[in-house]
Amino acid sequence: GQQVMQIPQYQHVQEGEDFTTYCNSSTTLSNIQWYKQRPGGHPVFLIQLVKSGEVKKQKRLTFQFGEAKKNSSLHITATQTTDVGTYFCAGLANNDYKLSFGAGTTVTVRA
Amino acid sequence: EAQVTQNPRYLITVTGKKLTVTCSQNMNHEYMSWYRQDPGLGLRQIYYSMNVEVTDKGDVPEGYKVSRKEKRNFPLILESPSPNQTSLYFCASSPSGNEKLFFGSGTQLSVL
Repeated sequence: GQQVMQIPQYQHVQEGEDFTTYCNSSTTLSNIQWYKQRPGGHPVFLIQLVKSGEVKKQKRLTFQFGEAKKNSSLHITATQTTDVGTYFCAGLANNDYKLSFGAGTTVTVRA
Repeated sequence: EAQVTQNPRYLITVTGKKLTVTCSQNMNHEYMSWYRQDPGLGLRQIYYSMNVEVTDKGDVPEGYKVSRKEKRNFPLILESPSPNQTSLYFCASSPSGNEKLFFGSGTQLSVL
């Protein structure tokens, strides 16, 4: 079945630095979604990417969808303490309604 | 307020004692789904439902049952819970199967 791999599992970042989390699928995806889960909270939708090579920005967050629609990345610039949490990617295969989540990247920030 | 409501938030039970976790959404969403979250494994789908009376297995359905008699409700049933079902459970809904998910607040289940 479809598998979505996400790296790194943990990211310890100095406040103000940038970091990137990566997501790779074993199959071509029709779309990929990103979610953020704050400690003790539930996943909250951030963005959905649909087109090959698509790039979307939300303030300090930049999301990319690979040309082959099998990988994606989330880049955060100038990390702040409010960025703490776990970021999940979730991929939807073509002709399927089973959203497969990556294991998540848990981000901690050193002030 | 648009939301997905799960109950209870916390549940401690013993092996073999049937339990139900309720999930309700007030957004008239067609699609509903259950996930379990375990450290290092992310969110794994248990069951999903595309519409009333339509349910399908996700990646880890063993030991679970669901029903979708009404559009707004999607309860998760553990007929005979076992310790390996100790986990954090999330219900989620979406307008359709390929749009963003709205998650409930979660149910932390411990099976002793």
